[in-house]
Amino acid sequence: GAVVSQHPSRVICKSGTSVKIECRSLDFQATTMFWYRQFPKQSLMLMATSNEGSKATYEQGVEKDKFLINHASLTLSTLTVTSAHPEDSSFYICSARVGASGRKGEQFFGPGTRLTVL
Amino acid sequence: QKEVEQDPGPLSVPEGAIVSLNCTYSNSAFQYFMWYRQYSRKGPELLMYTYSSGNKEDGRFTAQVDKSSKYISLFIRDSQPSDSATYLCAMGPLSGGYNKLIFGAGTRLAVHP
Repeated sequence: GAVVSQHPSRVICKSGTSVKIECRSLDFQATTMFWYRQFPKQSLMLMATSNEGSKATYEQGVEKDKFLINHASLTLSTLTVTSAHPEDSSFYICSARVGASGRKGEQFFGPGTRLTVL
Repeated sequence: QKEVEQDPGPLSVPEGAIVSLNCTYSNSAFQYFMWYRQYSRKGPELLMYTYSSGNKEDGRFTAQVDKSSKYISLFIRDSQPSDSATYLCAMGPLSGGYNKLIFGAGTRLAVHP
């Protein structure tokens, strides 16, 4: 149980275009989802936290107008990278919390999306 | 000073060795602790979860927490080449609605045959 999927797994786009990444909890309802960014050989950097039906909370230094997050349902959150530039190229990973019935803080991670902006 | 310190390695060991991975932390509010394993180009997967000080064993893995010293460890017995991955420690406080995790930098482990 507690499976999280991401789509697409890999995307290559031209500079200036927007890219949408989907994160789904497949077998549980996720009240809270998290979006991370990871550079090669570095740890996870939390970008934002989203709760179903409310606005996302962004970490300091993350541009909310550039990284749009929508948590439309208890099983789906999307991250849209708007007007992508080469410096946005990275590995984006989402995670989800089970909710009140789950262990405190436990997060289940998706497989990640590798974004390359040319 | 980072809230969570973890040696990035890389750590290279022969197959069958006992591996010790460690993290230290500075925030005494951290009350739950996790170890994640991440293979290259994949998302992290949860290995161990613990609330309390002491040892917790699961197969070849043992998680150890010492809250008085603010120090946690993960031991891997009889290490296998398939254990080659990056190991991330993560922790957080009991308070706070979002339950944000604080991650260590990750230690890269290579187990060679």
